[in-house]
Amino acid sequence: SYELTQPPSVSVSPGQTARITCSGDALPKKYAYWYQQKSGQAPVLVIYEDSKRPSGIPERFSGSSSGTMATLTISGAQVEDEADFYCYSTDSSGMGVFGSGTKVTVL
Amino acid sequence: EVQLVESGGGLVKPGGSLRLSCAASGFNFSNAWMTWVRQAPGKGLEWVGRIKSKTDGGTTDYAAPVKNRFTISRDDSKNTLYLQMNSLKPEDTAVYYCTTAVVVTGMDVWGKGTTVTVSS
Repeated sequence: SYELTQPPSVSVSPGQTARITCSGDALPKKYAYWYQQKSGQAPVLVIYEDSKRPSGIPERFSGSSSGTMATLTISGAQVEDEADFYCYSTDSSGMGVFGSGTKVTVL
Repeated sequence: EVQLVESGGGLVKPGGSLRLSCAASGFNFSNAWMTWVRQAPGKGLEWVGRIKSKTDGGTTDYAAPVKNRFTISRDDSKNTLYLQMNSLKPEDTAVYYCTTAVVVTGMDVWGKGTTVTVSS
């Protein structure tokens, strides 16, 4: 089955830049989406179609994709950005798949 | 206001059945592709399955762990999505979310989830 691979954790100091990677064989042909999930809450879409930011999402969140890797960047991380982040994409048959998730710690 | 509200969760014995509902409001439900996502306690998000709009064929797709046990359906007259879960297993224990794309192509609207516990 298709898998998206993320690092389990990323730590960043306040004001610094955090980068979260997502690796998948179908990413050259499929968009990546990124979700932020804070404890006890439903996920929130922060990046769609590799690099687009929904209305209301801070500009410090950006996305990119090259080859088999998509990257979510948090520029100038804030304490309130602490959360689990999941990449999402589809396989060649259109079935959805989430990455295993990355816990971002800001301290 | 765009909203999704799940209901129907609860405690069920292994081998039992449960039907979840997701009531939608504030957007054109009949045109929306609707998705169920679940999250086991302390685990990550898992895509469960999706139903397309009737204009796009109304077909369903399921993740391998739930295929042939779970059925997604929709009632566009009631703006409601359903997840019929049969032959439940302890590993189906999770918070179940319904979600859809309303403003952008990604799943940008989520319900708060409903909890399903499968235990004897």
